[in-house]
Amino acid sequence: KQEVTQIPAALSVPEGENLVLNCSFTDSAIYNLQWFRQDPGKGLTSLLLIQSSQREQTSGRLNASLDKSSGRSTLYIAASQPGDSATYLCAVRRGNAGNMLTFGGGTRLMVKP
Amino acid sequence: EAQVTQNPRYLITVTGKKLTVTCSQNMNHEYMSWYRQDPGLGLRQIYYSMNVEVTDKGDVPEGYKVSRKEKRNFPLILESPSPNQTSLYFCASSLSFRPEGNQPQHFGDGTRLSIL
Repeated sequence: KQEVTQIPAALSVPEGENLVLNCSFTDSAIYNLQWFRQDPGKGLTSLLLIQSSQREQTSGRLNASLDKSSGRSTLYIAASQPGDSATYLCAVRRGNAGNMLTFGGGTRLMVKP
Repeated sequence: EAQVTQNPRYLITVTGKKLTVTCSQNMNHEYMSWYRQDPGLGLRQIYYSMNVEVTDKGDVPEGYKVSRKEKRNFPLILESPSPNQTSLYFCASSLSFRPEGNQPQHFGDGTRLSIL
């Protein structure tokens, strides 16, 4: 059974810092890994999707890497801003039917001005 | 604007009173899914649909029903709600379920259900 873990569960940093969020998964047979952002009272916003054949994806100040063999992904946020404060979730697609995602528990990020 | 719309956003009801949470997407997506989010348990999939009239169980389907009569709509039905179904529910859609598509999922804003 696929399990996804995110460390740390919560993180507080001053504005401007570069930071790394971690995601690990137990079964390396995945199709893709997706990073989401969740704001309070809102749904999930897809940030980056990395296919199993890729090593990383970038969007603006965000960079996500994937090491399938070790079961790890990281989300790097450069020059953090207060507007980055949210919960960040990673999810792996574990099957070729039903697009079934297994989510991690999330990292709650607070960026202080 | 491309979006996934859920209604209602909030609902407080009592045990046993049937309810339906609607979900609609305007992106002509094939795939739709329902999740529930609970503290300490994260997001878990309830049901999903790969296309019209094609639905299947996710990880936690007990106590729920779904239907997919039209491509844009995927309602979640609680025939006899119980307090353990108190949760935050999300509907999501993506263009296709096929792995080679690698399409991201788009989520609605959530429905907070409280069953007393």
